[in-house]
Amino acid sequence: GQQLNQSPQSMFIQEGEDVSMNCTSSSIFNTWLWYKQEPGEGPVLLIALYKAGELTSNGRLTAQFGITRKDSFLNISASIPSDVGIYFCAGGGSQGNLIFGKGTKLSVKP
Amino acid sequence: NAGVTQTPKFQVLKTGQSMTLQCAQDMNHNSMYWYRQDPGMGLRLIYYSASEGTTDKGEVPNGYNVSRLNKREFSLRLESAAPSQTSVYFCASRQQWGYTFGSGTRLTVV
Repeated sequence: GQQLNQSPQSMFIQEGEDVSMNCTSSSIFNTWLWYKQEPGEGPVLLIALYKAGELTSNGRLTAQFGITRKDSFLNISASIPSDVGIYFCAGGGSQGNLIFGKGTKLSVKP
Repeated sequence: NAGVTQTPKFQVLKTGQSMTLQCAQDMNHNSMYWYRQDPGMGLRLIYYSASEGTTDKGEVPNGYNVSRLNKREFSLRLESAAPSQTSVYFCASRQQWGYTFGSGTRLTVV
């Protein structure tokens, strides 16, 4: 079945640093989405990408839909303590179901 | 608040017991989903319902059954719980690519 490889698995960074994470797949996706999950909560949508090559920002977050449609990255600039959580990429196929990456756990030291 | 409501939040079962996890959404979405989340595994799709009256298997359906009771409600049943079903379960509903997740049910099977 379709699988997403998300990296890195975890990151420990200093407040103020920039963060970069990515997802790759052997399959083509029509949509890429990035979610954030905080402890005890369900994932919340951060950014949705609908076209190959699309670059979209949401505040300090920027994500891109790879030209090949097989990858996506998420950057967070000037990290702050509330950025802590698990970030998931998800690829959307033709039937509308999402395939999730295994997540990147972000820890931010004040 | 509009969204997805899951009950219960926590549950402990003995091996072999049965239970039903409840999910309701008030956003008039057609599609609903059940995922399980295990450490290091991301979110894996158990079952989904593309519309009222239809259900389909996801990636890991064994040991589970679902019922789409009406447009609002989508329940997940464990007929004979096993320790391997210890997990956090998330329900979600979808409009286009806008997935909204509930806050999860943490299930422990002993």
